[in-house]
Amino acid sequence: TAGITQAPTSQILAAGRSMTLRCTQDMRHNAMYWYRQDLGLGLRLIHYSNTAGTTGKGEVPDGYSVSRANTDDFPLTLASAVPSQTSVYFCASSKSRREEGYTFGSGTRLTVV
Amino acid sequence: DQQVKQNSPSLSVQEGRISILNCDYTNSMFDYFLWYKKYPAEGPTFLISISSIKDKNEDGRFTVFLNKSAKHLSLHIVPSQPGDSAVYFCAASSTFTGNQFYFGTGTSLTVIP
Repeated sequence: TAGITQAPTSQILAAGRSMTLRCTQDMRHNAMYWYRQDLGLGLRLIHYSNTAGTTGKGEVPDGYSVSRANTDDFPLTLASAVPSQTSVYFCASSKSRREEGYTFGSGTRLTVV
Repeated sequence: DQQVKQNSPSLSVQEGRISILNCDYTNSMFDYFLWYKKYPAEGPTFLISISSIKDKNEDGRFTVFLNKSAKHLSLHIVPSQPGDSAVYFCAASSTFTGNQFYFGTGTSLTVIP
């Protein structure tokens, strides 16, 4: 089934450790995004990439980095995790036209202890 | 600063009745709006959209209304069904934000059989 695959599904991470959340899409969408979902705050954009080779900062980029080496993959890295990064992380992608909206992955639930 | 707000965290409706979910935004440059539906442990899925050139868009049981002067949109579900029980997010973008959408905090809808 075409779509977005996120891994892992869930993870418990010790504070100070690093981790990469993986995201792969097979729809050949140009744009990809990382959001975090927190209770009472909704979905907030962390980083985005409009096309392979380019990335940009969203609303809450601090503590996170991304890369876009090719069209399909958009990993999100936490260099030194902190408890406030405990959240559910969603990767999404879209075609060029915003009218088509986003396709989301199933999410990664991350707990930083 | 939350540019898109959903002031009702939760809503309960009897099966067969109308569900009305509300969304307010502050940025007058927003000109395209989406509604997403999210079940637990899944990513959000696209439901319906509306452009600022319209004030209403219908798709089956779902209708979105846009009041630009009030910076307000609403999603009507008629008749409501138990399978509609989910969290609903509204999202907004402008031509200046391109494909980037700002999401609201979500409203959890429960349809009671």
